[in-house]
Amino acid sequence: SQQGEEDPQALSIQEGENATMNCSYKTSINNLQWYRQNSGRGLVHLILIRSNEREKHSGRLRVTLDTSKKSSSLLITASRAADTASYFCATYSGTYKYIFGTGTRLKVLA
Amino acid sequence: EAGVTQSPTHLIKTRGQQATLRCSPISGHTSVYWYQQALGLGLQFLLWYDEGEERNRGNFPPRFSGRQFPNYSSELNVNALELEDSALYLCASSLNLGLAGAPYEQYFGPGTRLTVT
Repeated sequence: SQQGEEDPQALSIQEGENATMNCSYKTSINNLQWYRQNSGRGLVHLILIRSNEREKHSGRLRVTLDTSKKSSSLLITASRAADTASYFCATYSGTYKYIFGTGTRLKVLA
Repeated sequence: EAGVTQSPTHLIKTRGQQATLRCSPISGHTSVYWYQQALGLGLQFLLWYDEGEERNRGNFPPRFSGRQFPNYSSELNVNALELEDSALYLCASSLNLGLAGAPYEQYFGPGTRLTVT
């Protein structure tokens, strides 16, 4: 099974609301990254958080990392219709391999 | 700055044929990654190339192979195509391993959609 498992699998919210998605993983990591994918096309890198960091911000994005619980969360504040996409977490454990989660499909209703 | 490019955009093959997919990384990036994304699913790691060397491969049969050229572009070959090989194949590039061996973020191309009939 995938190292990264996102939760929930799908999320539908109204524009202006906050969206929170979670990622759990199984082994120790060097870093964890979040990506967005629109309509089955290429992924866009959103944010990278290293194992010794607990929280990072980028614009309307806030990522937290809890290495003791082997989990991360991505918060998108004041969501917009343009945020509608699939969101993936990816972990790197120092083995020349990224492991992507199964993704959360976010739908923001205007 | 040009992004990661992939060709072709779409590829239709019949079972048993061979498919060749190409990827050009961002200028200055020496690492190239290949992923398979079946419809509605997450990304499955296929291959990681860096400086012309294969660093790792995912849990795929040997009929999935590739190479990285001196200019850091890369090619993915899939032999003896099977119906379940139908998927979006994504290529990504990055700078090579940074300090402490932790890699940089990956930049993805738009993908090649392979359909096997």
